Amino acid sequence: DAGITQSPRHKVTETGTPVTLRCHQTENHRYMYWYRQDPGHGLRLIHYSYGVKDTDKGEVSDGYSVSRSKTEDFLLTLESATSSQTSVYFCATTQGGMNTEAFFGQGTRLTVV
Amino acid sequence: QKEVEQDPGPLSVPEGAIVSLNCTYSNSAFQYFMWYRQYSRKGPELLMYTYSSGNKEDGRFTAQVDKSSKYISLFIRDSQPSDSATYLCAMSEDSNYQLIWGAGTKLIIKP
Repeated sequence: DAGITQSPRHKVTETGTPVTLRCHQTENHRYMYWYRQDPGHGLRLIHYSYGVKDTDKGEVSDGYSVSRSKTEDFLLTLESATSSQTSVYFCATTQGGMNTEAFFGQGTRLTVV
Repeated sequence: QKEVEQDPGPLSVPEGAIVSLNCTYSNSAFQYFMWYRQYSRKGPELLMYTYSSGNKEDGRFTAQVDKSSKYISLFIRDSQPSDSATYLCAMSEDSNYQLIWGAGTKLIIKP
C-alpha cells in the first residue's frame, strides 16, 4: 500500500448528524481526493485538494466540505448526514496532476440511518 | 448518457481463458486512459496506463485504445483465479481535468 490511511474504516451514524472522515498520507503527494463509490456509478469525485488550504469541488460536492491544513491530512465533513450519503468513501492521492497514477486508501464504509 | 460506459457484469470465465473487458466513451478530448483493478473491500490500484491511441502490453495484460471508435479494451491472457476482481476504466483530458470513471466490470475466474 502507498501509505494512505483512512479513518474510521466503518461508521454508522444518524440522519442529521455531522460526520468527519480522515485521510492521512505519508507519501508527500501534492494532490488529494475524496471519492464515493456506489453500485452502478463507479467512483465519483466529491472534492479534491491541490495543496495546503487549496481545495476545489468535484461532481458531487453538495452536502460535503473539506479541509487540508497539512500536506498529509485531508478531512471530509458531511455537514448534516442524509441516507443518500450512505456509501463507501475512498481517499486517493496523486503526485502529479489528476491524470497521473492515483493511490487509494482502503475505504470507509458509512451508513446513515 | 454517461460519459464513460462499462458493462457491470459479472463476467465469469474458466481459468486459462482470454478475457476482454471494454469501455466506451463520448468525450473525444480524452487522451489519458487507465485501467484499475479493485479487489473486494479494497481500494483500486493502477493496472495499465495509456496515452492517446495504440496498444500497451505488460505481462499477461494488454491495453488497447481506439480513439476513432471511442473504445478502450483490456485483455487478460491465461486468466487466473487471482484475477477475479472488479476492473474499472478511467480517463482524462489532461492534468487539469478530473478522471472520469466507468462503473466497473466484475470478473470471476473459475478454477
